[in-house]
Amino acid sequence: QSVLTQPPSASGTPGQRVIISCSGSKSNIGNNYVYWYQQFPGTAPKVLISKNNQRPSGVPDRFSGSKSGTSASLAISGLRSEDEADYYCAGWDDSLSGWVFGGGTKLTVL
Amino acid sequence: QVHLQESGPGLVKSSEILSLTCSVSGGSLRSYYWSWIRQPPGKGLDWLGCIYYDGSTHYKPSLESRLTMSVDTSKNHFSLRLSSVTAADTAMYYCARGGDRWGSIDDWGQGTLVTVSS
Repeated sequence: QSVLTQPPSASGTPGQRVIISCSGSKSNIGNNYVYWYQQFPGTAPKVLISKNNQRPSGVPDRFSGSKSGTSASLAISGLRSEDEADYYCAGWDDSLSGWVFGGGTKLTVL
Repeated sequence: QVHLQESGPGLVKSSEILSLTCSVSGGSLRSYYWSWIRQPPGKGLDWLGCIYYDGSTHYKPSLESRLTMSVDTSKNHFSLRLSSVTAADTAMYYCARGGDRWGSIDDWGQGTLVTVSS
């Protein structure tokens, strides 16, 4: 059972906008930054969104992050087939004094 | 952007110690936290802990009794030791830069698969 809760799966058709949610608590999302990671099969995760809504260099602006209270969201607009991957939310948890990850959401592009 | 490379045995016997090293190139260990994260086959990411270049650590509470991390700034690498392993410790183990409260876990190694055998 992950500390951060994500839907196990999401899907959309090319060009659509998809939103992946991440639910936490005051000790993690409510009081700290949220990060989003993208992982393709057989490869290491890559940071997609940093500090709630910042895109590292090289990340397309189709990806955006937001946070409200103890929940966060990753939005992917103009969905492409190459976006098919696993997505994880993550961040620091004050109660655990460490990082926690969501269980991951597998995105399928139909 | 730094390059991280994990190394260590791919097979460990149950009840023994899992030891991995992460070699860092293209940058210094100084002024950063360095993390270990694992991913059991077909499952999600699990943060194990992190170590600062000065040796201070944060461990995942449920693993604290079995986990030791160390850092060697002269060799520009940091290490993980996990004792009394079981099949549940079978996973891809990643080392990465970052892991404190204020910054991202950004650069990751490619990962190394460790299987615990009985």
